[in-house]
Amino acid sequence: SQKIEQNSEALNIQEGKTATLTCNYTNYSPAYLQWYRQDPGRGPVFLLLIRENEKEKRKERLKVTFDTTLKQSLFHITASQPADSATYLCALDPAGYALNFGKGTSLLVTP
Amino acid sequence: GAVVSQHPSWVICKSGTSVKIECRSLDFQATTMFWYRQFPKQSLMLMATSNEGSKATYEQGVEKDKFLINHASLTLSTLTVTSAHPEDSSFYICSARDGQSSSYNSPLHFGNGTRLTVT
Repeated sequence: SQKIEQNSEALNIQEGKTATLTCNYTNYSPAYLQWYRQDPGRGPVFLLLIRENEKEKRKERLKVTFDTTLKQSLFHITASQPADSATYLCALDPAGYALNFGKGTSLLVTP
Repeated sequence: GAVVSQHPSWVICKSGTSVKIECRSLDFQATTMFWYRQFPKQSLMLMATSNEGSKATYEQGVEKDKFLINHASLTLSTLTVTSAHPEDSSFYICSARDGQSSSYNSPLHFGNGTRLTVT
């Protein structure tokens, strides 16, 4: 069956450090992968999309890599800030029109 | 940017009653909307795909007679939880793609969700 796996444990880092979150998938052949941010009690907010032919994508302090051989995406937040504290979701298209999501990784950035 | 508005943000109802949740695309047209459900510390689970002017497509294991979906216009989809039970208590979230950029790889815009508690 198709699976999207993200670090199940919360990630605690100190302000200013780089946070790295992992997304691994099985039984998908995705043409692209997306990352979302979700705050408690709110809907997810789109952050970045990376296509299969792109190794890396950046947006301000965010960087995403996509390795289709390893079936893995890494999501980096550089110079992290307490405001970056949230749950980050990895999402893939199961060859349909909707998206399947991982459970998400909770990030806590402490001052 | 594209905004999806969901109402109500929270609702408490008694077991056996029905609850309607509205999802509106405010500044774009959405021929397709998606309804997700999220239990605490779990991933978003797709319940159904709502298609304007036609029947919704339900995911395996989701009862179409219990979760009624109506997509009567290009900006409004509703989810009605009928004969709600405590196990239906969850966080329900709708989403849509901007009709102008409705290619399969464009991002989803989400509402802020509805917290349903059935007592």
